[in-house]
Amino acid sequence: DAKTTQPPSMDCAEGRAANLPCNHSTISGNEYVYWYRQIHSQGPQYIIHGLKNNETNEMASLIITEDRKSSTLILPHATLRDTAVYYCIVRYLNSNYQLIWGAGTKLIIKP
Amino acid sequence: DAGVTQSPTHLIKTRGQQVTLRCSPKSGHDTVSWYQQALGQGPQFIFQYYEEEERQRGNFPDRFSGHQFPNYSSELNVNALLLGDSALYLCASSYGQGYSNQPQHFGDGTRLSIL
Repeated sequence: DAKTTQPPSMDCAEGRAANLPCNHSTISGNEYVYWYRQIHSQGPQYIIHGLKNNETNEMASLIITEDRKSSTLILPHATLRDTAVYYCIVRYLNSNYQLIWGAGTKLIIKP
Repeated sequence: DAGVTQSPTHLIKTRGQQVTLRCSPKSGHDTVSWYQQALGQGPQFIFQYYEEEERQRGNFPDRFSGHQFPNYSSELNVNALLLGDSALYLCASSYGQGYSNQPQHFGDGTRLSIL
């Protein structure tokens, strides 16, 4: 079953950059990588997505390796409000491009 | 600009009953997807609607059905409720059918509890 691999949990100090890794070794062709986060009791919030080039928006940066088998989401200056579960998702062709969610990474920002 | 809105926010039902959940997509979006999220797990895809038809379906029984209206809003219906149907039900909207790379945007969900 095509999925991504993420560490179950990570800590980061407030004000520092949070770097969340994701492995997606079976990615191919036109399959995009998406990042979402979910704060307790809320719906998932879209963060960023990309295909092969690095992407940046007002929330985060997405770094995709040249072979596209892994990526890193970077929150440049983490705040306490960034504590959430972060999901890395690839829209795989063999899943009809639907979002197949894993367990994500629980990111805890510490003061 | 209103995002995805879902109603109700919470619902309590008993086994065997039927339930209808509602979703209004983000302005400009025409595709609606529904997900079930059990406690401590990632969302699981139920089905997707585009142009008022179910286009894709996940591994859910026929007790789960849906509808999309001409204004793109959608309903999720669950019949013969089981205890295991207790979950957060999420609606997501996007532009373009499922093969588009445009991201889905989620509502805050309906918390369904089955007694």
